[in-house]
Amino acid sequence: GQNIDQPTEMTATEGAIVQINCTYQTSGFNGLFWYQQHAGEAPTFLSYNVLDGLEEKGRFSSFLSRSKGYSYLLLKELQMKDSASYLCAVRVRAGNTPLVFGKGTRLSVIA
Amino acid sequence: DADVTQTPRNRITKTGKRIMLECSQTKGHDRMYWYRQDPGLGLRLIYYSFDVKDINKGEISDGYSVSRQAQAKFSLSLESAIPNQTALYFCATSVRGSGQETQYFGPGTRLLVL
Repeated sequence: GQNIDQPTEMTATEGAIVQINCTYQTSGFNGLFWYQQHAGEAPTFLSYNVLDGLEEKGRFSSFLSRSKGYSYLLLKELQMKDSASYLCAVRVRAGNTPLVFGKGTRLSVIA
Repeated sequence: DADVTQTPRNRITKTGKRIMLECSQTKGHDRMYWYRQDPGLGLRLIYYSFDVKDINKGEISDGYSVSRQAQAKFSLSLESAIPNQTALYFCATSVRGSGQETQYFGPGTRLLVL
């Protein structure tokens, strides 16, 4: 089976930095996605990693280590609007394969 | 206008009723998906379709059926609804050959089965 693990909940302070980890054990690997989902809304795409290393996009960065089956999403200069769930998803192989999602991490940003 | 739309946005039905959830997209994507989301369980794939003549079961297809009426339309049916099908349902699309092939989600349908 495919297994993707993320912490269930995290809390961080406005203006701070938070790191959300994701570990995966899958039968193959062809890319990892991070999505943001506000309560009751659709998931929206944040980042994609397929090679090892860091991808930076404004306040958000995502890191991948394929040898360790590990990724993290780094959020800097936290704002109240960053309170949301963050979903890690893996494409297990190339071609006609859907994504496998983790259960998501609910982040609460407090003043 | 939204690229991926779902109708209805909210639905209350009774056990045993047949209902259909519809998804339409204007993105021109060939691939479409249906997921359900339950608290604590994350997004789980029900069915997916890579073109009009291609339908595949996902992780939790029992009790559901789908129809791909056109490239832009993908419907999910619950033949005889039961209470544990109460969930938030999302449609998503992606396009083949786009490298990372990001999935784009519709706004969701909140279903309550009494």
